[in-house]
Amino acid sequence: NAGVTQTPKFQVLKTGQSMTLQCAQDMNHNSMYWYRQDPGMGLRLIYYSASEGTTDKGEVPNGYNVSRLNKREFSLRLESAAPSQTSVYFCASTALELAFFGQGTRLTVV
Amino acid sequence: GQQLNQNPQSMFIQEGEDVSMNCTSSSIFNTWLWYKQDPGEGPVLLIALYKAGELTSNGRLTAQFGITRKDSFLNISASIPSDVGIYFCAGPTGANSKLTFGKGITLSVRP
Repeated sequence: NAGVTQTPKFQVLKTGQSMTLQCAQDMNHNSMYWYRQDPGMGLRLIYYSASEGTTDKGEVPNGYNVSRLNKREFSLRLESAAPSQTSVYFCASTALELAFFGQGTRLTVV
Repeated sequence: GQQLNQNPQSMFIQEGEDVSMNCTSSSIFNTWLWYKQDPGEGPVLLIALYKAGELTSNGRLTAQFGITRKDSFLNISASIPSDVGIYFCAGPTGANSKLTFGKGITLSVRP
């Protein structure tokens, strides 16, 4: 019963470094999302993908890129990390508007 | 975009008390969802509402889809310590029905 799996769970980056957050779902869902969660800000949508091969910007896309590699996988890339990107990142997939979330990636940029 | 408003940001209650929280929007929603996030975990769906006026229960939790379709309510009865967490409302918006979340209410339960 894997559901939505995110890797890594924790990461510390230096300013300017790049990294890719991985997300995979095994529920055959079409839609996948990346959110970031900051204290008092709720869940803010970075990018989403309504289906394989399509991606769209959300509320806070600057500094991020995404790739919908196939139906299962949706990755989030930080090309040049900045301290403002310190956050907890959640991947989700949806079926019939119901979202299932991964356990999150806690990213610190120093 | 469509906004979902949740206030206050934090609520503090005594174990055994009931608590009610609401979520409002200036726009109509056709689906209302309530999620709970335990510390260190991702949000988990509690209740989904699909019809104006609908009242749905899940154990000690009851949620209602407002008649105007611009609000929803979540009630927790006889609170227990494990009710601690962040409660989010959410709804699909836009052409691709992407999910929008409220800012969440952090619930603390004093034993």
